[in-house]
Amino acid sequence: EDQVTQSPEALRLQEGESSSLNCSYTVSGLRGLFWYRQDPGKGPEFLFTLYSAGEEKEKERLKATLTKKESFLHITAPKPEDSATYLCAVQAGGGADGLTFGKGTHLIIQP
Amino acid sequence: NAGVMQNPRHLVRRRGQEARLRCSPMKGHSHVYWYRQLPEEGLKFMVYLQKENIIDESGMPKERFSAEFPKEGPSILRIQQVVRGDSAAYFCASSQTEGTDTQYFGPGTRLTVL
Repeated sequence: EDQVTQSPEALRLQEGESSSLNCSYTVSGLRGLFWYRQDPGKGPEFLFTLYSAGEEKEKERLKATLTKKESFLHITAPKPEDSATYLCAVQAGGGADGLTFGKGTHLIIQP
Repeated sequence: NAGVMQNPRHLVRRRGQEARLRCSPMKGHSHVYWYRQLPEEGLKFMVYLQKENIIDESGMPKERFSAEFPKEGPSILRIQQVVRGDSAAYFCASSQTEGTDTQYFGPGTRLTVL
């Protein structure tokens, strides 16, 4: 069974304090790993897709990396508007198109 | 630039009633996915549909739940005889193609069963 575990569950940072969120996964043939951001009362907002180990993608203060067992979302010099829940999801091989999500990391950036 | 649209945004039903949730995919998208998010739980995949076809319903409860995506009109997730445990946020996502194409999510429908 495909599994995604995110850590930490919650993280409180000061504005400007860089950190990383972890996503560990177990999947039968990874087709893609996805990062989303979810604000309270809203739907997940797409951030990145990673396909193979060693791949990296960046967007503003966020950078996502992928290894064979985990992915990291690095947040550099965060601002209060980066506060949200960050979700990691995997898409397995074998024709399954549904995503398997982790429970998310709730990130709070204090001014 | 219309994204994925879902309605209603909030739905209140009494136990035993039916709930109908609607989803209009992004323009140009013909693949629709439904997910459920229970309180304190992660998003769980329910069903994947293309126009007039259910492709994968492996995450759908066997009873009371059904989904369709007709040739014309939105995708519908239907829950018959709702129970309190059905209270959750239901999200629809759409993609342009199948496979590893990005799934874009709607704002969700929050179902409350009294």
